[in-house]
Amino acid sequence: DGGITQSPKYLFRKEGQNVTLSCEQNLNHDAMYWYRQDPGQGLRLIYYSQIVNDFQKGDIAEGYSVSREKKESFPLTVTSAQKNPTAFYLCASSRNFYNEQFFGPGTRLTVL
Amino acid sequence: DAKTTQPPSMDCAEGRAANLPCNHSTISGNEYVYWYRQIHSQGPQYIIHGLKNNETNEMASLIITEDRKSSTLILPHATLRDTAVYYCIVRVAGGSQGNLIFGKGTKLSVKP
Repeated sequence: DGGITQSPKYLFRKEGQNVTLSCEQNLNHDAMYWYRQDPGQGLRLIYYSQIVNDFQKGDIAEGYSVSREKKESFPLTVTSAQKNPTAFYLCASSRNFYNEQFFGPGTRLTVL
Repeated sequence: DAKTTQPPSMDCAEGRAANLPCNHSTISGNEYVYWYRQIHSQGPQYIIHGLKNNETNEMASLIITEDRKSSTLILPHATLRDTAVYYCIVRVAGGSQGNLIFGKGTKLSVKP
C-alpha cells in the first residue's frame, strides 16, 4: 500500500534529550513537511522540503532540525533547545510543492 | 494567521447533509480553497479543493460563491464516522508558499 508512515506512534523522552521522529513515504512525492499540533489548536509548520537535499524553515523551526538525504525520508530531530517539545507531530507529503498534501498518522511526543 | 473564518462547532443528524461554511473575504484571485478534516488523534485527511467552480468528488461537494468570499463544504449523507474537525484553508497553488496554514477549524459532531 502506498502511504506515509510515522514511527513510533507514542514516544516518551526525558527533558534535555534529543529525539528523532521518523517519516517515510512511498508515494514518490517530491515535497515533504513537518507540522506540530498542540491540544485544541491547528497545525503549525516546522520545516518543509521541496526536493531531496533541500529544506526550508517554517513558522516554528527553532529547536528543531531536519535532513532530506533520500526522497522517501524526512526525519525530524527535536533538540533540547526546543522549550516545549511535548506535542503531536505530523508529517505530510505532496507530489510537488503545489499539490494537496497527504498526512501520516502522527507521533505523540511526551517529554517528562 | 489563518485567512479563513469558520464556526467553532456544528451538529448534524446522521443521514442528513452537513453544510460547513467558511468565510475567506480577503482571498486573492490565484488562491484555491482547500478542505481537510482531522479525526481525533489522527493525521488530517484531504477532502477537496477548488478555485472558482463548484467541485464534487466521492467524499463531498464544494460550493464557492461567485465573489469567492465564502464557500460551503457539503457532506451529503453524514455518518458517525464523519465526526471530525474540518479545516478550510486558502492557498496559492504555484506560488512560493505551498505550505498550508491551518486555523482552528469547525468541530462537526454527527449524532444518531
